[in-house]
Amino acid sequence: DAGITQSPRHKVTETGTPVTLRCHQTENHRYMYWYRQDPGHGLRLIHYSYGVKDTDKGEVSDGYSVSRSKTEDFLLTLESATSSQTSVYFCAISDQGDSNQPQHFGDGTRLSIL
Amino acid sequence: QKEVEQNSGPLSVPEGAIASLNCTYSDRGSQSFFWYRQYSGKSPELIMFIYSNGDKEDGRFTAQLNKASQYVSLLIRDSQPSDSATYLCARGSGGSNYKLTFGKGTLLTVNP
Repeated sequence: DAGITQSPRHKVTETGTPVTLRCHQTENHRYMYWYRQDPGHGLRLIHYSYGVKDTDKGEVSDGYSVSRSKTEDFLLTLESATSSQTSVYFCAISDQGDSNQPQHFGDGTRLSIL
Repeated sequence: QKEVEQNSGPLSVPEGAIASLNCTYSDRGSQSFFWYRQYSGKSPELIMFIYSNGDKEDGRFTAQLNKASQYVSLLIRDSQPSDSATYLCARGSGGSNYKLTFGKGTLLTVNP
C-alpha cells in the first residue's frame, strides 16, 4: 500500500470554525491532491500540488486553501467551515515523470460541520 | 456535459458471470484511463490502467479502450461477491500538471 496517512480520520466541528486536514506521504512523490467525495457528485478535485510551495486550484476550490512546505506534507484548510463542506476528503499522490502516472489514495477524512 | 460519464447502476450480476462496466468521455485529447474500485466506506483502489487502444488483461480483469468511439470499459470475469463495490472510471489530462477527472461511478452487486 502507498504510504499515505490522513489525519484526523474523523472530525465534527461547528460552522465558522477553522479546520485543517493533513496528508502525510512517505513515498517522496511529487504530486499531491485533495479531493472531496459527495453522493451524486463523485470525486471532485479541490487543490493539488506539483512540488514544494507549488499549488494550483481544482474544480471546487472556493472556501479552501492549501499549503505544502515539505515534500511529504500537504495541508488542506477550511478557513471558516460551512455545512456545505461536510464531506469525505481524500488525499492522493502520484509520482513525477510521464503524465500517465496513476494516483493512489489515502484512507480519507470524514468531516461533519454542524 | 460531464467529461466522464458512467451508468450509476446498480448493475447486478450472478456469481460466476461476466460483469461489464462502461465509461464514455468527451475530451478527445485524453491519453490515459484508470479504473478504481471503492468498497463502501473505503478509499478508491487502483485496479487497472490503459493507455493504448485495444484490450489489457490482468487476471480476471480486462480493460478495453476505443479512442475513436471515446469509451473505455472494464470486464470482470468469474464475478465474485467480493467484487461488489463501486467502480470509478478516470481519465488523465496529461501535460505537466497531471490531473485525473473521475466519473461518478457504477455500483456493482454480485449475487451469490
